[in-house]
Amino acid sequence: DAKTTQPTSMDCAEGRAANLPCNHSTISGNEYVYWYRQIHSQGPQYIIHGLKNNETNEMASLIITEDRKSSTLILPHATLRDTAVYYCIVRVWGNNNDMRFGAGTRLTVKP
Amino acid sequence: DSGVTQTPKHLITATGQRVTLRCSPRSGDLSVYWYQQSLDQGLQFLIQYYNGEERAKGNILERFSAQQFPDLHSELNLSSLELGDSALYFCASSAGTGWGEQYFGPGTRLTVT
Repeated sequence: DAKTTQPTSMDCAEGRAANLPCNHSTISGNEYVYWYRQIHSQGPQYIIHGLKNNETNEMASLIITEDRKSSTLILPHATLRDTAVYYCIVRVWGNNNDMRFGAGTRLTVKP
Repeated sequence: DSGVTQTPKHLITATGQRVTLRCSPRSGDLSVYWYQQSLDQGLQFLIQYYNGEERAKGNILERFSAQQFPDLHSELNLSSLELGDSALYFCASSAGTGWGEQYFGPGTRLTVT
């Protein structure tokens, strides 16, 4: 699986958009980009995933660059409840071996 | 609420003991995954079952074992417990065999004294 690089931490003002970057420069053509988040000591929560097209759901938008070497998760109107660790994971669909979540980005939403 | 349930929420036991953690997946999900999260290791995949069969294995110790029953609930057995086994243990489920979208339970916090 391709490795991912995320900033260790980010801050965002409440009500503003939170843009969380992820670098995956060694991604291969059949690898998807997944985002999960984990609010303190709770179980991780699936957010969104994509292959090459931009994706949007009720929680967030995922923007993947044309060369697929990086992506950005966008929370359009961050709230205090969005404070969490956000994990960007790149995986081949169906490859279940050695799944790792990495260190992620700790997002703090401030009032 | 993800629909995945785990029991117990907390477990305190002594070194050398054996414990069993239980997980019920979301209705309709056939895959169950087990993860361990400790402070210094992050979230680590242990093992996956799909419809009763072992599907994938991660960094699971030989002292640990799991199974998935015909009603699709799963149990993770931890034996000869050591202090270092103290961690949060999460169960997740998904509809199919692929890693894809997983839905996590609230976790079981195990403390080994």
